[in-house]
Amino acid sequence: EAQVTQNPRYLITVTGKKLTVTCSQNMNHEYMSWYRQDPGLGLRQIYYSMNVEVTDKGDVPEGYKVSRKEKRNFPLILESPSPNQTSLYFCASSTGGRNQPQHFGDGTRLSIL
Amino acid sequence: RKEVEQDPGPFNVPEGATVAFNCTYSNSASQSFFWYRQDCRKEPKLLMSVYSSGNEDGRFTAQLNRASQYISLLIRDSKLSDSATYLCVVNRGTSYGKLTFGQGTILTVHP
Repeated sequence: EAQVTQNPRYLITVTGKKLTVTCSQNMNHEYMSWYRQDPGLGLRQIYYSMNVEVTDKGDVPEGYKVSRKEKRNFPLILESPSPNQTSLYFCASSTGGRNQPQHFGDGTRLSIL
Repeated sequence: RKEVEQDPGPFNVPEGATVAFNCTYSNSASQSFFWYRQDCRKEPKLLMSVYSSGNEDGRFTAQLNRASQYISLLIRDSKLSDSATYLCVVNRGTSYGKLTFGQGTILTVHP
């Protein structure tokens, strides 16, 4: 089954403790992206990747890192999480190119205390 | 001005009604336009891409007006299952990788 898999689905942690949210897709998609969704602000793009070893900042990259060493994986790293990074996070992938739809993972709900 | 603006609603309509949403965008260089739906904090799912000539998929019709920089979504014969948040998505400028989501329009269809 074609899918985008995020882990963990839920995480409660404390300020400053490094964490990684993994994202994996099995559709051989070139494009992958991370978003956060907050009430009243909608989905905002954090980082995206057009292909392996190519990453670019979205609208809200501060406090996050990403890497794209393999086509299927695009982990989101919070080196020193803070409470303002408490949010619902979505990973998405697509074949890339104009008008190509994105396939989203189920989401990861992060709470930083 | 926000890059992508939508009327947040909520729109409350009876079954069978026709409802229309608009979305305006600020970057005249944008080239990719989409409507997604999102159910109750679940993942967004593509409803339809929006093409220059307009396109239809069953009860759903999408239109693009480049001159006025807006896209629209028309839903005919609303069903209870259409209740969701509808997200307008636009790429930013010439890069198809950078996408901006509107805040979404809430639709509730009641019996």
